Amino acid sequence: EPEVTQTPSHQVTQMGQEVILRCVPISNHLYFYWYRQILGQKVEFLVSFYNNEISEKSEIFDDQFSVERPDGSNFTLKIRSTKLEDSAMYFCASTVRLYNEQFFGPGTRLTVL
Amino acid sequence: EDKVVQSPLSLVVHEGDTVTLNCSYEVTNFRSLLWYKQEKKAPTFLFMLTSSGIEKKSGRLSSILDKKELFSILNITATQTGDSAVYLCAVRSNYQLIWGAGTKLIIKP
Repeated sequence: EPEVTQTPSHQVTQMGQEVILRCVPISNHLYFYWYRQILGQKVEFLVSFYNNEISEKSEIFDDQFSVERPDGSNFTLKIRSTKLEDSAMYFCASTVRLYNEQFFGPGTRLTVL
Repeated sequence: EDKVVQSPLSLVVHEGDTVTLNCSYEVTNFRSLLWYKQEKKAPTFLFMLTSSGIEKKSGRLSSILDKKELFSILNITATQTGDSAVYLCAVRSNYQLIWGAGTKLIIKP
């Protein structure tokens, strides 16, 4: 069964460093998402991406964040200058059509020291 | 402000019991309501509901949506220890999912 994959599973970085989180969505899916979940808190929407552009973003997704689909398979989230409060589990999700269910990857745990 | 509220926040029952989890919402541009199960990491999809009053069923799990009263319930009958997880409710508004805090369900053998 096809699934969303994410790498790395765990990333540790120093405050102020740039990180890139990688996702490979399900191959025939067209809509891609990033969510985050701070430990013990709700899942929060960050951004949605369709047709090579951002379709919606939350207030969390400020100028420090960017997304890219550099080729036909990868979907990346870049955090330019990490802060302690960026420590969270980051989930990538994809869906084949806009209003279909979203399928989630296993997540990347980001720890900012 | 859009919000999704789940209750109870946690629930401990014995194997074989039936449980009902609740999700109420106030969301502009409602598109659908989704239920996910989260064990250790990623949420795994259970149901998507778009129409009122139509029950969706998968094995021992079922769910129904009431768009007039703005809530949904998730029922699990004959619970098993493998049902222990956090159950998340999310409402689709335009592109994003707005999430509840989850119900942590613990099934004791």
